[in-house]
Amino acid sequence: EAQLVESGGHLIHPGGSLRLSCVASGFTLSGDDMNWVRQAPGKGLEWISYISGRTSDIYYADSVKGRFTISRDDARNSLYLQMNTLRAEDTAVYFCATSYFVGVVAYLQYWGQGTLVTVSS
Amino acid sequence: SSELTQDPAVSVALGQTVRITCQGDSLRSYFASWYQQKPGQAPLLVIFGKYNRPSGIPDRFSGSGSGDTASLTITGAQAEDEADYYCQSRDNSGDHLLIFGGGTKVTVL
Repeated sequence: EAQLVESGGHLIHPGGSLRLSCVASGFTLSGDDMNWVRQAPGKGLEWISYISGRTSDIYYADSVKGRFTISRDDARNSLYLQMNTLRAEDTAVYFCATSYFVGVVAYLQYWGQGTLVTVSS
Repeated sequence: SSELTQDPAVSVALGQTVRITCQGDSLRSYFASWYQQKPGQAPLLVIFGKYNRPSGIPDRFSGSGSGDTASLTITGAQAEDEADYYCQSRDNSGDHLLIFGGGTKVTVL
């Protein structure tokens, strides 16, 4: 069974740093485009970052650009999100997800269960 | 960046039909996909590419749309369909790669 498992979320003070991990099991991430999506408590979904499985393309939402860095290690079947200069508004459940882009179609197919990041003093 | 607008909440009687709409300029260029999310769970893809259903999604879920509007229809709603539903498309403004609607809470009465 294909599965994504995130980890690394916990309580962190404002201004701190955190690294999230997403490990795939039951399939290989190599060649797959990957994303991070977050959901603040009681709020909707927000896409925050993408990394291509085949090219060097990387994208970020404006809300995290310059503070967050997405990366991957296909040998470890893993995706990462380095989060620096964290703010209270970064408090959310962070999901990793595979994505597929075909012409005018783009969707997120497989999702992890999420990991909670709480930024508070 | 572009926005996708959804009604915050809708209710449907058990076994009846409900349509959830999503409106945004990006939908003139890109097809919508739809996700179901139940409390404490990850989102689940239910429709991609405007009207395609992933394997395992019941055929009571269907997608449609034209112009700047996309729709998700649940025909014969079941109690287990009570959830939040989010539309998503690519962002045609170039600011972001993907955008989500604000979500619609579906209550099955």
